[in-house]
Amino acid sequence: DIVMTQSPDSLAVSLGERATINCKSSQSVLYSSNNKNYLAWYQQKPGQPPKLLIYWASTRESGVPDRFSGSGSGTDFTLTISSLQAEDVAVYYCQQYYSTSFTFGPGTKVDIK
Amino acid sequence: QVQLVESGGGVVQPGRSLRLSCAASGFTFSSYAMHWVRQAPGKGLEWVAVISYDGSNKYYADSVKGRFTISRDNSKNTLYLQMNSLRAEDTAVYYCARVAKQWELLRAFDIWGQGTMVTVSS
Repeated sequence: DIVMTQSPDSLAVSLGERATINCKSSQSVLYSSNNKNYLAWYQQKPGQPPKLLIYWASTRESGVPDRFSGSGSGTDFTLTISSLQAEDVAVYYCQQYYSTSFTFGPGTKVDIK
Repeated sequence: QVQLVESGGGVVQPGRSLRLSCAASGFTFSSYAMHWVRQAPGKGLEWVAVISYDGSNKYYADSVKGRFTISRDNSKNTLYLQMNSLRAEDTAVYYCARVAKQWELLRAFDIWGQGTMVTVSS
């Protein structure tokens, strides 16, 4: 199975500052036939289900603010919140959907400094 | 609007069974693969199982293989998870989730239910 890791476990960022979360997969999630990275990012706020933010590693889901961006390819990926807002306090998960194990990373908690 | 509503959770003794349901509305349920994902209290997300749009393909996490069965009734717009031989470590909120594109299996999960809590305890 593909193992997903994330760093850091948690981070605190001042309002308006940049937050960066890293995600690494134990094997490439880049499908050579279509050149797509099978990698998604989700946001989960307390007491709520996860919400899809980014898919194909860098495509924002409809309605997601453009301060959220995804980058990376192969095994190394990044979620960036360009200007942190109070409503962005949440746990963020990366997930691979390259294989039918659909594994999630352990999550990164983002707080306000 | 597009909605998934889980039900069937509760408190159950170790070794017993429970069946969860997920009622879908607002979209053509029979066109989408569906997942179950769980989250133990205070922990991260764990994928559990997936079923293709027509029920012909099913995959499971190793932690539930042989004990849990995913199924669907497209005539009732409902997804199921039959959970047998339950263990304490199965205690979690169970979410159903839809894949983001019709007919496909390897896609992100774009719609999630609110979840149903399963507690396995004597």
